Amino acid sequence: DQQVKQNSPSLSVQEGRISILNCDYTNSMFDYFLWYKKYPAEGPTFLISISSIKDKNEDGRFTVFLNKSAKHLSLHIVPSQPGDSAVYFCAASLYGQNFVFGPGTRLSVLP
Amino acid sequence: EADIYQTPRYLVIGTGKKITLECSQTMGHDKMYWYQQDPGMELHLIHYSYGVNSTEKGDLSSESTVSRIRTEHFPLTLESARPSHTSQYLCASSESMEGGEQYFGPGTRLTVT
Repeated sequence: DQQVKQNSPSLSVQEGRISILNCDYTNSMFDYFLWYKKYPAEGPTFLISISSIKDKNEDGRFTVFLNKSAKHLSLHIVPSQPGDSAVYFCAASLYGQNFVFGPGTRLSVLP
Repeated sequence: EADIYQTPRYLVIGTGKKITLECSQTMGHDKMYWYQQDPGMELHLIHYSYGVNSTEKGDLSSESTVSRIRTEHFPLTLESARPSHTSQYLCASSESMEGGEQYFGPGTRLTVT
């Protein structure tokens, strides 16, 4: 049973527009969430994180929103750039210990 | 940029062979991890270590074994490779503090024929 779900396997967005990637989780005890980006033939790289005590964290073009009651988080990228095209993984952890990863969403930013 | 390395990057090997996938990090991180990922699927934790001489099995059952004799080195061994072991193997490390993000190596893509 997947504890972290990313129901959209792929997403296409026009350059300059907003990309919204969604993630749902089942364990209400998760207290720390991260987003990773992965290019082909490379390992995932950390993008942005959020603690369960917050509902928003922003870093440049990237903003993560957390809705604890809905057990849902989202990553907003604005404006989207062609270099953002990659697979994005959502991950959740309990007390900062081992992370559970979602299956990923492939984002394509079209020029 | 994270200093975590994996070798080999690609490996094609026959059934029954013993293989060791290498992972090294130069950041002095206590925590290290091995994940297995099939295309389009989530990363599954197969082993982790919180320090020297400490190893634990992860959420996904795996026939592989690991060792942690030195802080910087966390090799993964398959005693007898099978086609079902064909996958991508990702090594990661993180600081001891809670909530620290994991730094990933480039991965080893293993194919067992």
